[in-house]
Amino acid sequence: DAGITQSPRYKITETGRQVTLMCHQTWSHSYMFWYRQDLGHGLRLIYYSAAADITDKGEVPDGYVVSRSKTENFPLTLESATRSQTSVYFCASSESGAANTGELFFGEGSRLTVL
Amino acid sequence: AQSVTQLGSHVSVSEGALVLLRCNYSSSVPPYLFWYVQYPNQGLQLLLKYTSAATLVKGINGFEAEFKKSETSFHLTKPSAHMSDAAEYFCAVSDRLSGGGADGLTFGKGTHLIIQP
Repeated sequence: DAGITQSPRYKITETGRQVTLMCHQTWSHSYMFWYRQDLGHGLRLIYYSAAADITDKGEVPDGYVVSRSKTENFPLTLESATRSQTSVYFCASSESGAANTGELFFGEGSRLTVL
Repeated sequence: AQSVTQLGSHVSVSEGALVLLRCNYSSSVPPYLFWYVQYPNQGLQLLLKYTSAATLVKGINGFEAEFKKSETSFHLTKPSAHMSDAAEYFCAVSDRLSGGGADGLTFGKGTHLIIQP
């Protein structure tokens, strides 16, 4: 089915472990984003990508790594998970930057708990 | 960087009553503005957007918002609330991303809309 899918939807891990959250979109959108959602903070941008092999930091990038070798995939890796990274993570994509259409299409989220 | 302020983390209205969710933005030039809705355990979806055309914007599910430059506001309204409107609502503004290479969205902290029967 067309759309944007995230996996896993739920993940429990331990402090210090590496975790990768996957994001796949079928629209061939140029832009992809990773946000985290926390109570009292709304959505904060972690990393974004304007095209394959082009990534850049957002507001809260520390502790995260991204890659974009293919247009349709944008995995987010927590190299050594910490409790403060317990959150709901949303991947989003858009055809162009917000100055144009502005609409972001979101996945259903990945709920990560770090014990 | 732009910022968005949503007044009220929780808003409670009775079914059939007017819904008013407030959003103020900071911008030196008229921005593009958006309202997104998030239903429980789902991602966000676009309700409506303002992109410098008509100042009164109509969206899905009977929602609308009015861009008021003099007040730097973009409040979301619906004349008559329905139980299915219970959700989290986010106001967002277009913004140059930190790397300078693209425009993205900066979100407010969200308003949880509660509908009382």
